[in-house]
Amino acid sequence: DTGVSQDPRHKITKRGQNVTFRCDPISEHNRLYWYRQTLGQGPEFLTYFQNEAQLEKSRLLSDRFSAERPKGSFSTLEIQRTEQGDSAMYLCASSLATGNNEQFFGPGTRLTVL
Amino acid sequence: DQQVKQNSPSLSVQEGRISILNCDYTNSMFDYFLWYKKYPAEGPTFLISISSIKDKNEDGRFTVFLNKSAKHLSLHIVPSQPGDSAVYFCAASEGAQKLVFGQGTRLTINP
Repeated sequence: DTGVSQDPRHKITKRGQNVTFRCDPISEHNRLYWYRQTLGQGPEFLTYFQNEAQLEKSRLLSDRFSAERPKGSFSTLEIQRTEQGDSAMYLCASSLATGNNEQFFGPGTRLTVL
Repeated sequence: DQQVKQNSPSLSVQEGRISILNCDYTNSMFDYFLWYKKYPAEGPTFLISISSIKDKNEDGRFTVFLNKSAKHLSLHIVPSQPGDSAVYFCAASEGAQKLVFGQGTRLTINP
């Protein structure tokens, strides 16, 4: 399977704990995006990378959130001191920097903070 | 502010008929528009896109229309099939960067 993969698919944690999610993009894609989706809403942009450089961060991304893409391949999204409001589906997408901006999404990681 | 809006949360269409999903946007700098389809517990799947220099793009049963003066786009699916039942999101971007999504429309195709 050469699509975008995310791990884990589901994560249940207690408030105050740290969690880390991983995304593996389509191998030839140099752009990688993180989005968050809550019930009844469309995905909301969090941050994106071109190769290993983080080019933009949304104001939704508080200081408790950090994302990395150390070698320009896979990416991790860490949430520190989780809060109940962090419960959401975290989606990763990848694309080529050139072309028509078609972004291909992974299956998402569903986070539940108790 | 909601830059991309889908004002119909749900739509029900009979199998074989045309489904029309609508989307409005406010940012005149958007230059690329996309439609995604989403099933439960899956990520969005790309369907069709259109550049702001065009007013129509067709791919099989799917056609997207763009009216820049009205800041409105629509997705037509004809004929509608039961497998088309899903949530549809429109999205827009300014340059090849982040996507701004609407809230989604749940399409149900009735046999």
